[in-house]
Amino acid sequence: DAGVIQSPRHEVTEMGQEVTLRCKPISGHDYLFWYRQTMMRGLELLIYFNNNVPIDDSGMPEDRFSAKMPNASFSTLKIQPSEPRDSAVYFCASSRTGSTNEKLFFGSGTQLSVL
Amino acid sequence: AQTVTQSQPEMSVQEAETVTLSCTYDTSESDYYLFWYKQPPSRQMILVIRQEAYKQQNATENRFSVNFQKAAKSFSLKISDSQLGDAAMYFCAYRTLSIQGAQKLVFGQGTRLTINP
Repeated sequence: DAGVIQSPRHEVTEMGQEVTLRCKPISGHDYLFWYRQTMMRGLELLIYFNNNVPIDDSGMPEDRFSAKMPNASFSTLKIQPSEPRDSAVYFCASSRTGSTNEKLFFGSGTQLSVL
Repeated sequence: AQTVTQSQPEMSVQEAETVTLSCTYDTSESDYYLFWYKQPPSRQMILVIRQEAYKQQNATENRFSVNFQKAAKSFSLKISDSQLGDAAMYFCAYRTLSIQGAQKLVFGQGTRLTINP
């Protein structure tokens, strides 16, 4: 398996623009997670899905952030409008089940820079 | 809420030597999981080792082992025979076993490990 695939690897945009980050989880994995990594706050869980359904979005910082999972093999995280403080690395991760001993697989992240 | 603290922003070690990375955490729970993740320059988060809190025996994975002190809420990572490929950021993480919040990993701030040849 190719692992969790994220695109783009780098994204540079201007303040006010819409940004869409993409993720393809590992085939057969029922759980998908979006994390954000910043110097100030470290790694934080933004939202996670189970069988394409959003379960917990309490980590989503503002209404400017939205996430969707239209099918088992694709998810998006959208920021509209983007702001400089959204600059961070955004990780997608997936796991086969929600069991607490289940291994979590991370993608390589999208480095977002909002100018 | 649980918190994870890594007090060493940076560490360095000579190749082939042993290094220990520190991690402490705060929780009121009696059962949980602890993890160490490695983040090399490629950015991908890679699971290094994990420990179930109910297990007294310290987890080991080849050159990586942990010193889990439950009463002290300490979870250090020991890397033996350090190799150049071990250079990375290392994150300690906590995962609750409670149904609510079980999917959330709480991460420490990370320790940047440099291996000197």
